Amino acid sequence: DADVTQTPRNRITKTGKRIMLECSQTKGHDRMYWYRQDPGLGLRLIYYSFDVKDINKGEISDGYSVSRQAQAKFSLSLESAIPNQTALYFCATSRGLAGGTDTQYFGPGTRLTVL
Amino acid sequence: RKEVEQDPGPFNVPEGATVAFNCTYSNSASQSFFWYRQDCRKEPKLLMSVYSSGNEDGRFTAQLNRASQYISLLIRDSKLSDSATYLCAVIPMEYGNKLVFGAGTILRVKS
Repeated sequence: DADVTQTPRNRITKTGKRIMLECSQTKGHDRMYWYRQDPGLGLRLIYYSFDVKDINKGEISDGYSVSRQAQAKFSLSLESAIPNQTALYFCATSRGLAGGTDTQYFGPGTRLTVL
Repeated sequence: RKEVEQDPGPFNVPEGATVAFNCTYSNSASQSFFWYRQDCRKEPKLLMSVYSSGNEDGRFTAQLNRASQYISLLIRDSKLSDSATYLCAVIPMEYGNKLVFGAGTILRVKS
């Protein structure tokens, strides 16, 4: 089984709908992240969490919210989806090692289309 | 100026060729550097970290040039399976452990 899973893998929704993307991990990592990827822009950080009680905004948090329900689960919500939120969304985890050795492990991604 | 910049390519090379990519970063206080590989429609996976003294893993060599603020990735004896997008990632000093990614460089190895 994959260490980092995301559901759904693909989703088409309409403008104004609320949608939740879920991420689960079995790696036992404390740190979790949500990114979006757009062509030509690379991966951009939306939110991140360093433990269950910690939530932090990333580079592009407007229009998104998150919930860290447990160490293993980190959900991303779009309260009212808009077309420019169409993108590939990745969840990632890391152990939280110091000294620049903290490798991030990515889930398989969720392809979201907002019509 | 973007924090991390890469030539998007694509780099089209024949099998067996040596190819090199550079990635420039704007924050001189950046502390950690990585190369990730991403196959089409798949998740990024860590290829290698980049150490100050440079490091090698088989056919792959990564180097850091702090004076000119760039990292490089050299791939020798290219294989068809090396075709992918290569993302560089940097941790700026004030960002803690948060990565800033470049947009990626596309490599296509052809037979």
